[in-house]
Amino acid sequence: NAGVTQTPKFQVLKTGQSMTLQCAQDMNHNSMYWYRQDPGMGLRLIYYSASEGTTDKGEVPNGYNVSRLNKREFSLRLESAAPSQTSVYFCASSYDRVRGETQYFGPGTRLLVL
Amino acid sequence: QKEVEQDPGPLSVPEGAIVSLNCTYSNSAFQYFMWYRQYSRKGPELLMYTYSSGNKEDGRFTAQVDKSSKYISLFIRDSQPSDSATYLCAMSAGAAGNKLTFGGGTRVLVKP
Repeated sequence: NAGVTQTPKFQVLKTGQSMTLQCAQDMNHNSMYWYRQDPGMGLRLIYYSASEGTTDKGEVPNGYNVSRLNKREFSLRLESAAPSQTSVYFCASSYDRVRGETQYFGPGTRLLVL
Repeated sequence: QKEVEQDPGPLSVPEGAIVSLNCTYSNSAFQYFMWYRQYSRKGPELLMYTYSSGNKEDGRFTAQVDKSSKYISLFIRDSQPSDSATYLCAMSAGAAGNKLTFGGGTRVLVKP
């Protein structure tokens, strides 16, 4: 059981470039989440997917798009990267959105936008 | 004002001491309370989960929730250098819209 995996681990982008962060879970969880973590700001929810085929905005969705490709995979896309999107990105999953309190996190993707 | 407040630390203690961590919050709808541990350059891992008010103990860890004061605590007994990490509190309103709201985290250093 790998749990929640994320690729890439680290990425450097130039302003205006695009990229997709990949996330997969093998725990048969229904709900998946994308967070960003910045110093002193804690973890902030970008988007979440309560179940396959649905996505909803979180606290800081501007500049991002998501795709719930199937039950296992949830990707985060930056269409035109900005320096303000320099952060550590975490994907998480939980069995059920209603009982989603038990969220399991991936190892993170460190993104630097120059 | 942030919805969940947590002292960033660092909190430095000698090995074997009790570590005391806490968070305050403003949203009275929160009823699920969690503590996550995050090692440097790793993802958060769930330590403790508590529903509503009360205490919960798991080995060296004790979580307390006081909803009347909007205050939660985590105690680590007999602290070890391996407990050195950042501890994040998180909470949610549950079925009302179950998105976790995190505190900023407290960095803990346990010195041998």
